[in-house]
Amino acid sequence: EDQVTQSPEALRLQEGESSSLNCSYTVSGLRGLFWYRQDPGKGPEFLFTLYSAGEEKEKERLKATLTKKESFLHITAPKPEDSATYLCAVQAGFGYGNKLVFGAGTILRVKS
Amino acid sequence: NAGVTQTPKFQVLKTGQSMTLQCAQDMNHEYMSWYRQDPGMGLRLIHYSVGAGITDQGEVPNGYNVSRSTTEDFPLRLLSAAPSQTSVYFCASSVNRDFGEQYFGPGTRLTVT
Repeated sequence: EDQVTQSPEALRLQEGESSSLNCSYTVSGLRGLFWYRQDPGKGPEFLFTLYSAGEEKEKERLKATLTKKESFLHITAPKPEDSATYLCAVQAGFGYGNKLVFGAGTILRVKS
Repeated sequence: NAGVTQTPKFQVLKTGQSMTLQCAQDMNHEYMSWYRQDPGMGLRLIHYSVGAGITDQGEVPNGYNVSRSTTEDFPLRLLSAAPSQTSVYFCASSVNRDFGEQYFGPGTRLTVT
């Protein structure tokens, strides 16, 4: 069964304190791994797609990396506005249709 | 562009009632999906569509029905509401067949009493 596990469940950081969020997965045939950001009361917002081990993507203070078993979302010198829930999802299998599996998310709080 | 819109934003139903959650997108995306989000769980796929007239079941389809008569609209019907359907519902659309980069609506918070 395809599974996505995110850790930690919650993370509190001081402004400027860099850290990483983890997304580990077990899937049959990874087609892609996706990171989303979700603010309270809103829908998820797409951040990154990673397709193969070794791939990296960056956006402002965020950097996503991918290995064969997990992905990391590195947050460098975070600001309070980076506070949100970060969701990881994987697309598994081949063929027709949507097989996107989401993790439960990591709630990030950045204090000034 | 308005992106993905959903109505209503909040809804309270009694057990056994039926209703339709509306979803529309103005980006001419072929692919649309419905998810539910429950505390401590990831988003779970209910139904999806790869184009007008084509729909398929996701992970948790029981108790829900969909149709796709136009590219823009993808309504979700609750046939006979149950307390287990209390959740936040999100509609999403994607231009990519692999559903990778999805655009989500603001959600509908549904409570079934």
